[in-house]
Amino acid sequence: ELKVEQNPLFLSMQEGKNYTIYCNYSTTSDRLYWYRQDPGKSLESLFVLLSNGAVKQEGRLMASLDTKARLSTLHITAAVHDLSATYFCAVDAGSNFGNEKLTFGTGTRLTIIP
Amino acid sequence: EPEVTQTPSHQVTQMGQEVILRCVPISNHLYFYWYRQILGQKVEFLVSFYNNEISEKSEIFDDQFSVERPDGSNFTLKIRSTKLEDSAMYFCASRFGPSYNEQFFGPGTRLTVL
Repeated sequence: ELKVEQNPLFLSMQEGKNYTIYCNYSTTSDRLYWYRQDPGKSLESLFVLLSNGAVKQEGRLMASLDTKARLSTLHITAAVHDLSATYFCAVDAGSNFGNEKLTFGTGTRLTIIP
Repeated sequence: EPEVTQTPSHQVTQMGQEVILRCVPISNHLYFYWYRQILGQKVEFLVSFYNNEISEKSEIFDDQFSVERPDGSNFTLKIRSTKLEDSAMYFCASRFGPSYNEQFFGPGTRLTVL
């Protein structure tokens, strides 16, 4: 059974600082996604990582994927308050081609303090 | 911009009652999904649907659950006899497919079983 773990579970950081969220998974996969969720809201797609070594950046967020280490990172640069949210990684591993089933991580609740 | 829509936004029901949660996926998408999120927990896969049949389902998706695409636009999740532990946020998602790309999530239906 695929297990997806994130750490930390909770992260409180000051504005302007940098930090990294880690996502480890237990089965070979080269398909990993990052989502953002605001309280009481739906899941917003942030990044789609589809190969080993993939790196994508959007604003202050950068995501990378190391399939050999089964690790993805979400790096936050110079955090600002509106990045406060819960971030989930999700992995698709081995389901039928073209019919992905996402296994989500535990989530990281990020709070940016002024 | 096209989006996945869900109705109702909040449903309150008595234990043992049947509920139907409705979703309208993005119009040209071919793959449809239901996930659930118990309050404060991670998102869990329930079922995937393609070409008018279930492609994959999780252990959670037992005989009490069913899905249907009754017409060209709606995608429904029925829970035949609700239990207290069915209380959760239910998210519908769709994806264009078949190559790998992100699943787009609807706003969710909060189901409360009393």
